[in-house]
Amino acid sequence: QKEVEQDPGPLSVPEGAIVSLNCTYSNSAFQYFMWYRQYSRKGPELLMYTYSSGNKEDGRFTAQVDKSSKYISLFIRDSQPSDSATYLCAMSEAGTALIFGKGTTLSVSS
Amino acid sequence: GAVVSQHPSWVICKSGTSVKIECRSLDFQATTMFWYRQFPKQSLMLMATSNEGSKATYEQGVEKDKFLINHASLTLSTLTVTSAHPEDSSFYICSARDPPGQGRDQPQHFGDGTRLSIL
Repeated sequence: QKEVEQDPGPLSVPEGAIVSLNCTYSNSAFQYFMWYRQYSRKGPELLMYTYSSGNKEDGRFTAQVDKSSKYISLFIRDSQPSDSATYLCAMSEAGTALIFGKGTTLSVSS
Repeated sequence: GAVVSQHPSWVICKSGTSVKIECRSLDFQATTMFWYRQFPKQSLMLMATSNEGSKATYEQGVEKDKFLINHASLTLSTLTVTSAHPEDSSFYICSARDPPGQGRDQPQHFGDGTRLSIL
């Protein structure tokens, strides 16, 4: 079993839809959880950063961490064509390297 | 926000040459930087952790003599691909972590990557 599982998609939605992206993990020692957005031929851009469990909201983006279920989510409200990208979840223990999911490719059509 | 600059963004060179890639943290000091490799439609694979003033820590399976890492200052780490061959062609990305805050790790910020093509 891989440490971090993420459905690669692709996921296609119409403009304005609510998008739900998810990752599961097996290492209960993970404390730091991140979501990155990566456009083609660019480096990952940090979207959300959460320490331990709970929810975090930033504009149209909401990140949720459920450590008891080892499950994290990213919700995108009112999705826009400019949200079309690959979304990577990443997580780590304290002081260790990030472990990435494979990324989910999202396409938002106008 | 934290900015990481990577240079060059794209390089094409002949087989057998060495290529140096620079990674700079522009507005913060990074004692630790990371080097990743990414193949098309794949996730990021950590190659090594670069520590300022000391030797890099390489992941299993990554050749130290092939991928030379130098972290001479708190804002600059370099990756040199020595005697590059076509199989080294890939997308190389660096990242840097903000200094710790409130005793917690801070997130990594990534450069825009370097597309390396070896002919």
